[in-house]
Amino acid sequence: NAGVTQTPKFQVLKTGQSMTLQCAQDMNHEYMSWYRQDPGMGLRLIHYSVGAGITDQGEVPNGYNVSRSTTEDFPLRLLSAAPSQTSVYFCASSYSISSGANVLTFGAGSRLTVL
Amino acid sequence: AQTVTQSQPEMSVQEAETVTLSCTYDTSESDYYLFWYKQPPSRQMILVIRQEAYKQQNATENRFSVNFQKAAKSFSLKISDSQLGDAAMYFCAPDSGAGSYQLTFGKGTKLSVIP
Repeated sequence: NAGVTQTPKFQVLKTGQSMTLQCAQDMNHEYMSWYRQDPGMGLRLIHYSVGAGITDQGEVPNGYNVSRSTTEDFPLRLLSAAPSQTSVYFCASSYSISSGANVLTFGAGSRLTVL
Repeated sequence: AQTVTQSQPEMSVQEAETVTLSCTYDTSESDYYLFWYKQPPSRQMILVIRQEAYKQQNATENRFSVNFQKAAKSFSLKISDSQLGDAAMYFCAPDSGAGSYQLTFGKGTKLSVIP
């Protein structure tokens, strides 16, 4: 099993450009989420999904869009990148809530720099 | 929004000694989970230990144990027989209620292990 796979690992953008961070998991997890990590801060939740077709906002959703068309994939889109979005992004997934198991499995992270 | 406080930005410990990392949080929930995650220089987020708030017994995983004080909303991590591989950032993260999967992370404690 690959676990949670994030691509790309590194990306440099210019202000105003758009891009998509990809996240895929092969564990049949229903729950997927995106966090960002800034220097001196813990991880902050951007968006999450409890299943295909269902998404919701986290603590810092502005400037980001998500969709969940399949169980496996949960891409994060930046429509018009801003320097404030320079960060390390983590995708995480977990079992369904009903199972009671709630341990997040994280991807390796994607470092994004916006100039 | 929930707040999580890790009051020790940096700590150091001699190899083979014991160290305790502190964490306090606020929540209005009565049933929730708490987690400690480790982030080594590789950037990968790794689960260290978890505690279910309705369980009075403190969780233990090999050299790692917690001191969970529900009334005080305190969740400290004790590392015994510290090893060089324990050097990392450690994040405390309670969830938003049992089964919510939405974690709020503290700012982290950087642990150094001295040979």
